[in-house]
Amino acid sequence: DGGITQSPKYLFRKEGQNVTLSCEQNLNHDAMYWYRQDPGQGLRLIYYSQIVNDFQKGDIAEGYSVSREKKESFPLTVTSAQKNPTAFYLCASRAGKGGHTEAFFGQGTRLTVV
Amino acid sequence: GQSLEQPSEVTAVEGAIVQINCTYQTSGFYGLSWYQQHDGGAPTFLSYNALDGLEETGRFSSFLSRSDSYGYLLLQELQMKDSASYFCAVRDMDSNYQLIWGAGTKLIIKP
Repeated sequence: DGGITQSPKYLFRKEGQNVTLSCEQNLNHDAMYWYRQDPGQGLRLIYYSQIVNDFQKGDIAEGYSVSREKKESFPLTVTSAQKNPTAFYLCASRAGKGGHTEAFFGQGTRLTVV
Repeated sequence: GQSLEQPSEVTAVEGAIVQINCTYQTSGFYGLSWYQQHDGGAPTFLSYNALDGLEETGRFSSFLSRSDSYGYLLLQELQMKDSASYFCAVRDMDSNYQLIWGAGTKLIIKP
């Protein structure tokens, strides 16, 4: 079955530690996205990539980094520079770059700083 | 700037009809989407409107008026499983066709 997979589902980070969230899709989608969702809020775009080896900053990129070495994979690293990383992180993908196509989401990773 | 406004919470009774409104302000409007998200889950796509008018998909319908920068999601024959948050999102040409998201409307359904 085609889909988009995020791991882990829950992640705990100590102060000053970098952590990496995994996102893999087998939908052959060109574009992939990382969003952050805080309680009672909408989705805010962190980074997106429309093609392998290229990515763009979203609205809240500070303290995060990404890579897109393979079409299927778009990992997100939450660095120690992100001062308030506790949130629900959602990865999405869609076919094409422009126009409208439906976005498919992974089940999310809930990150907590301990 | 770019913004979307939708009510934070709506309450309805099982079997009834409910309308969730969304007004938007964007520079490069391309289309309006609606997504459903159950607590702790992933958003799932419901509908998309690029042109004015009503789009119907089963119990759900979505409406768009580009001249009023306004749309709504209509849910009919409400079921308890429809309890979720509903997000409107605008696809914006001036932002590389990214989705600009509203804050979401929590739909509470009472028996």
